[in-house]
Amino acid sequence: DAKTTQPPSMDCAEGRAANLPCNHSTISGNEYVYWYRQIHSQGPQYIIHGLKNNETNEMASLIITEDRKSSTLILPHATLRDTAVYYCIVSDSWGKLQFGAGTQVVVTP
Amino acid sequence: EPEVTQTPSHQVTQMGQEVILRCVPISNHLYFYWYRQILGQKVEFLVSFYNNEISEKSEIFDDQFSVERPDGSNFTLKIRSTKLEDSAMYFCASSVDSVQNTEAFFGQGTRLTVV
Repeated sequence: DAKTTQPPSMDCAEGRAANLPCNHSTISGNEYVYWYRQIHSQGPQYIIHGLKNNETNEMASLIITEDRKSSTLILPHATLRDTAVYYCIVSDSWGKLQFGAGTQVVVTP
Repeated sequence: EPEVTQTPSHQVTQMGQEVILRCVPISNHLYFYWYRQILGQKVEFLVSFYNNEISEKSEIFDDQFSVERPDGSNFTLKIRSTKLEDSAMYFCASSVDSVQNTEAFFGQGTRLTVV
């Protein structure tokens, strides 16, 4: 079973920030937090990952709490093309990512 | 941007037939993976492959499945005798290495339909 808990769905207005929460209370010290998304039935697309520190790239920001038991993915300016299922995954390597059900994000005009 | 390429995009096969799904990973990547997603369900890990060996596999990856890197560019998944329940999207992925400071790229998938 996936080690993360995410809300099943979330709506966001175009142009606004989307904040996607994830709980991973059983995360161990060597496990990273990864975020992927899947648009329709396309292949999962990497977004961002982190261990302890907050991370930012051209797609998103990742905020990890100090106790590492939860994190938030922030899409700073959501567009219609960001409509997708977003997966939060914890793992100690790329080799065996356990995808859960994810959060269905719908960006509306 | 480099990408993982999978062929065919859609494969229809009869139950009991062998099927080979093909993937061309990104050229400098060393780690290769197969995942599958049954319609409406989660993405599931099947197998990881490095240095011409399986490094990890899931319970799904039984004796009916095999993987191979027949040359320097292709990575294949073979299902020896397909069953109806093998119908799914199959995704290939690759990464430079297995450590956390690199990305894993997924292909666009092959939709396998077993009839």
